[in-house]
Amino acid sequence: DTGVSQDPRHKITKRGQNVTFRCDPISEHNRLYWYRQTLGQGPEFLTYFQNEAQLEKSRLLSDRFSAERPKGSFSTLEIQRTEQGDSAMYLCASSLRNRGKLFFGSGTQLSVL
Amino acid sequence: DQQVKQNSPSLSVQEGRISILNCDYTNSMFDYFLWYKKYPAEGPTFLISISSIKDKNEDGRFTVFLNKSAKHLSLHIVPSQPGDSAVYFCAANTQTGANNLFFGTGTRLTVIP
Repeated sequence: DTGVSQDPRHKITKRGQNVTFRCDPISEHNRLYWYRQTLGQGPEFLTYFQNEAQLEKSRLLSDRFSAERPKGSFSTLEIQRTEQGDSAMYLCASSLRNRGKLFFGSGTQLSVL
Repeated sequence: DQQVKQNSPSLSVQEGRISILNCDYTNSMFDYFLWYKKYPAEGPTFLISISSIKDKNEDGRFTVFLNKSAKHLSLHIVPSQPGDSAVYFCAANTQTGANNLFFGTGTRLTVIP
C-alpha cells in the first residue's frame, strides 16, 4: 500500500492560465474523489468517480473545472482560465467500498497570482 | 451553508488528560459520521466513525459519542499524547449522498507535554 499520490505538491500560476493536477489512488481502490480545502475551512467535495465513470459533481465545480479518470486508474483535475479564488489545496482521495473510509493524498497547493 | 460545525477552533490539553472535541450538525438526514486527523503538509487521515444506529464507538484511546436528538457528536481522546497534536475534522454524510462527505472547519488540538 503506497498510499494516494498527488502531483505536483505545489503549483503557482498566473491568473488566466490553465493548470492540471494528477492523482494516483491506491491501486485496488475503484472509488476516487476530489476535494478542495481553503484556509480555515474543511475539505469540500468536488467530484466522485467509480472506476472511469464520473458519477457525481458538486455545484462548486464550475465549467472551468474538468476531471477525468481514463481506464479507472489515475485521475486528472484541470482548471481552465484560473482565477484568484481558485487558490486552495486540492485533495484527492480513494476508497474501496461504499461509505468506506477515504484515504487522502497530501494534496496540491494551488496559488493563483 | 455549513451543515457540520466545529465551534472551537483550538483546544489545549495537558499530556495524559482527556481531550474532548465537539461537533454539531444541522442536517437530520446525516446517518454516518467520521473523524479525521490532519498533520501539517499531509492529507486528512481517518480516525474513527459511527453510524446513527449507535451512540458510541470505541477504538483504543479514541471514543466517539453521538447524540442524535441534539445533533451533536464528540470525540474523546484518553489519555492524550503529544503525538495527538493535529487538526481534527468532523465529517458526515447521508445514505443517498454517501459519496459526498461534509466536513466541519476543524479543531486544532495541542497536547502539552
